[in-house]
Amino acid sequence: SAVISQKPSRDICQRGTSLTIQCQVDSQVTMMFWYRQQPGQSLTLIATANQGSEATYESGFVIDKFPISRPNLTFSTLTVSNLSPEDSSIYLCSVGGKSYEQYFGPGTRLTVT
Amino acid sequence: GENVEQHPSTLSVQEGDSAVIKCTYSDSASNYFPWYKQELGKRPQLIIDIRSNVGEKKDQRIAVTLNKTAKHFSLHITETQPEDSAVYFCAADSGGYQKVTFGTGTKLQVIP
Repeated sequence: SAVISQKPSRDICQRGTSLTIQCQVDSQVTMMFWYRQQPGQSLTLIATANQGSEATYESGFVIDKFPISRPNLTFSTLTVSNLSPEDSSIYLCSVGGKSYEQYFGPGTRLTVT
Repeated sequence: GENVEQHPSTLSVQEGDSAVIKCTYSDSASNYFPWYKQELGKRPQLIIDIRSNVGEKKDQRIAVTLNKTAKHFSLHITETQPEDSAVYFCAADSGGYQKVTFGTGTKLQVIP
């Protein structure tokens, strides 16, 4: 499976600011996904990011709040904008394998103060 | 869209016993059902998956069963060990797309 890294691993941000999370894969992948996992909860899909097209957002998530870039087949960024304490969570990227499976990055733990 | 329900939310078993986690899904078009294990502070790890053309799949101590008619699937762990303690998530694909919907998770505790 692919080796996936995320930066930063954790951050503490002030209310009203933004955080950009990077996801890097060691091989080219078509499908990349961004998830949010609130403490003790399941994984919620934010959006699907395919190279060369606009990200597809799930219900309840909007581009103005969670802009996503996918400049090439090995890299993506997720920005969480205008931060509020409710955005405190773990954000994970995942990549799609050849047969529908997904592999996750290590996650970014965001705390908003 | 797809809705995945998972039970139980917590499960405690004695080491060596078996553990069973059950999930139901709503979208009859779903064809792919993965299971993930997430240890505390770690990323979810794919441990086994099953596709709709198969009724059961085994990998050493873990097995998954799928009943497409009833729209439910289960994870079975035999001879549980303390290192099996983790949160387990089931998921189902959203009919034709690679994205999946996750269940609510089961916290498994294996008591030595």
